[in-house]
Amino acid sequence: GQQVMQIPQYQHVQEGEDFTTYCNSSTTLSNIQWYKQRPGGHPVFLIQLVKSGEVKKQKRLTFQFGEAKKNSSLHITATQTTDVGTYFCAGPFSGTYKYIFGTGTRLKVLA
Amino acid sequence: DVKVTQSSRYLVKRTGEKVFLECVQDMDHENMFWYRQDPGLGLRLIYFSYDVKMKEKGDIPEGYSVSREKKERFSLILESASTNQTSMYLCASSSRTSGANVLTFGAGSRLTVL
Repeated sequence: GQQVMQIPQYQHVQEGEDFTTYCNSSTTLSNIQWYKQRPGGHPVFLIQLVKSGEVKKQKRLTFQFGEAKKNSSLHITATQTTDVGTYFCAGPFSGTYKYIFGTGTRLKVLA
Repeated sequence: DVKVTQSSRYLVKRTGEKVFLECVQDMDHENMFWYRQDPGLGLRLIYFSYDVKMKEKGDIPEGYSVSREKKERFSLILESASTNQTSMYLCASSSRTSGANVLTFGAGSRLTVL
């Protein structure tokens, strides 16, 4: 079946360092979404990418959708303690509205 | 503000008990979902629903059933709870008509089965 994998599973960084998480799908995706879950919270939508090779920025966060629409990445420049949490990518299953989530990357930022 | 409300934040049940997890959304969304979240496994889809009285199995439906009698309410039922169903359960909803199909999650229900 369709699978969405994320690496790394965990990442500890010093405040001010950069961070990247990678998302890989076993099948081509029509779009990909990213969510952030703060400790003790629930996932909150960050962004959706639709076009092949698309790059979007939100302040210090840069999101990229691969040319083949099978992978994506989230890069955070100069991490802050407010970036702590788990980042999930999610893609639709076979063009449906059913979204499959990646395994998540848990980010810890050390002050 | 858009809201998805899950009835119980924490539950403790015994093996074999029937468990109901309720979810209500006030956004008139067509789609509703139940996920479970376990460390290292991410969010796994249990069941989802496109419309009232409609339901479809997700990736891990065994041991669960659902009910959607009204558009705003989607219930997850554990007919006979088992210890391997101890988990965080997250309900979400999304709109088909908005185009983006963004998922809005509830706060979660942490279930412990003893």
